[in-house]
Amino acid sequence: SQQGEEDPQALSIQEGENATMNCSYKTSINNLQWYRQNSGRGLVHLILIRSNEREKHSGRLRVTLDTSKKSSSLLITASRAADTASYFCATALNSGGSNYKLTFGKGTLLTVNP
Amino acid sequence: KAGVTQTPRYLIKTRGQQVTLSCSPISGHRSVSWYQQTPGQGLQFLFEYFSETQRNKGNFPGRFSGRQFSNSRSEMNVSTLELGDSALYLCASSWGQGLGEKLFFGSGTQLSVL
Repeated sequence: SQQGEEDPQALSIQEGENATMNCSYKTSINNLQWYRQNSGRGLVHLILIRSNEREKHSGRLRVTLDTSKKSSSLLITASRAADTASYFCATALNSGGSNYKLTFGKGTLLTVNP
Repeated sequence: KAGVTQTPRYLIKTRGQQVTLSCSPISGHRSVSWYQQTPGQGLQFLFEYFSETQRNKGNFPGRFSGRQFSNSRSEMNVSTLELGDSALYLCASSWGQGLGEKLFFGSGTQLSVL
């Protein structure tokens, strides 16, 4: 089963509104990353947040991490039509040295209507 | 700086055949990882190579194999294709820590098995 589960599965908003997506996971992690994917294309890295961090910002993006609840959220402020994409969280757990277990969630499909 | 390049972009094969996909990482990146993306199973990690050695492996049958060359380019091979192997195959590269750091993805190879 997927380590990360995004919520909601789909989200439709108007341009200018904020979009919030959530990710829950089951085991301990070393870091959590958010990626964006436009239809049928590769993923683009958005933010990496480490397990000892609680919040990170990048432009219009804000990511929070609550390790006690095993959850993370991605907030996109002042959304634009170009933000329309699928958003995935990915959890990384180090099992020693350079050995990692990387697991992706099933994603949230965000549609921003002009 | 050129991004991650995957070839071919589209591929159609029939059951029982084998296929080889290619991935050229960003210059200087030594880690290459491969992923399978399907509507039903989402994004699943196949394996990661670093300095021509497989460093991490996901839960896929032995029909899925890969290798990495001295210039860090990587190939993935799937033998005895099954209908369920139809998917978007993505590769990603990174500097060295591999799965525990920011990944740069290619645009993928869309494989259809008939």
